[in-house]
Amino acid sequence: NAGVTQTPKFQVLKTGQSMTLQCAQDMNHNSMYWYRQDPGMGLRLIYYSASEGTTDKGEVPNGYNVSRLNKREFSLRLESAAPSQTSVYFCASSEQPHRLGTEAFFGQGTRLTVV
Amino acid sequence: KNQVEQSPQSLIILEGKNCTLQCNYTVSPFSNLRWYKQDTGRGPVSLTIMTFSENTKSNGRYTATLDADTKQSSLHITASQLSDSASYICVVSARTSYDKVIFGPGTSLSVIP
Repeated sequence: NAGVTQTPKFQVLKTGQSMTLQCAQDMNHNSMYWYRQDPGMGLRLIYYSASEGTTDKGEVPNGYNVSRLNKREFSLRLESAAPSQTSVYFCASSEQPHRLGTEAFFGQGTRLTVV
Repeated sequence: KNQVEQSPQSLIILEGKNCTLQCNYTVSPFSNLRWYKQDTGRGPVSLTIMTFSENTKSNGRYTATLDADTKQSSLHITASQLSDSASYICVVSARTSYDKVIFGPGTSLSVIP
């Protein structure tokens, strides 16, 4: 069982470059999320998707865009990378909205460095 | 402001010893509290969930407690093992919108032989 799969695992970008982080889940979950994790801070929500075809901003959406391609896949795009976007990015999914207490399943993370 | 604080920030214990990690929160209105374990280089994995009416819940050597009145939770690890070395994250949810799922900064636990 793969669970939540993220690609790539590591990435180095130059300032101004763009890239897309891919995420796919095989648990037939409705809700999917993108978080970033920075040293000394809790995970912060970038964007979420309650269901296929819907997306909403989280706490720190500036500089990012997302696409819920289908029920399985939820991608995160950085149009013009900035050093402040250096972070570890996690994709997660849950059967029901995370706030209801449903367990969220996380991918292994993407470590992104913007130089 | 909705916040989740955890203490200590880091902890080193000897294998076989017990330890307790603390979580204080101000998230309101409270819905539930989860403890996650995050191994280095991996995503968080859920250990247990506590709702308003629950005081104690165990998952093997992990026991979580919740005091909703004082807005505190603890995670007690019994007879620690080297594999318990990880970051432990307290996550509190409110009964409203998505952005009210607040992650604590985590406690980094190192278990040494």
